[in-house]
Amino acid sequence: GESVGLHLPTLSVQEGDNSIINCAYSNSASDYFIWYKQESGKGPQFIIDIRSNMDKRQGQRVTVLLNKTVKHLSLQIAATQPGDSAVYFCAENRANAGNMLTFGGGTRLMVKP
Amino acid sequence: KAGVTQTPRYLIKTRGQQVTLSCSPISGHRSVSWYQQTPGQGLQFLFEYFSETQRNKGNFPGRFSGRQFSNSRSEMNVSTLELGDSALYLCASSAGAGDGYTFGSGTRLTVV
Repeated sequence: GESVGLHLPTLSVQEGDNSIINCAYSNSASDYFIWYKQESGKGPQFIIDIRSNMDKRQGQRVTVLLNKTVKHLSLQIAATQPGDSAVYFCAENRANAGNMLTFGGGTRLMVKP
Repeated sequence: KAGVTQTPRYLIKTRGQQVTLSCSPISGHRSVSWYQQTPGQGLQFLFEYFSETQRNKGNFPGRFSGRQFSNSRSEMNVSTLELGDSALYLCASSAGAGDGYTFGSGTRLTVV
């Protein structure tokens, strides 16, 4: 697969601040993107998704931005809480690739109380 | 609504043995995908099954195989286990392509 090489940067934020987690994806043909949150000992948990015909999508306290020109995805978390501490992964999917997801290396978010 | 169920949660096997992991998808989901997660390689796609047919396969050796049953439950098998097969094996189910993917909690396999 086209796995992005493992690189686990850490983002440390103060409780109540906004967090921005970035992801560079690899394939310009990707047309569906998902952010997942993974807590220790658990599987990835869906946060928000976005299709390539959009550049922004908002959920509850989360916003995903997609810049297809530079193949960049970001996840913004408003008013970050201690419960947001986890590893966050972006994943990309191509329409002709069935349900195969290609994951980024992940970012560890640490929220300081 | 029940989520994706993976069994067993933990498994310890010896090198050379084989192992079978099970995944029950969300009711109504016909697609099941398997991923391997390790600290060194991150999350990597193994294969995907849809309506009992393997639709996609990742870059893993033939020791890794799977199947899907008519009720959409899936199993993956790893033969001739190696130490490097120690990982968290995750299963994800989906109703269709680009339709959201829900992961199970995974099976933690340790090969000694």
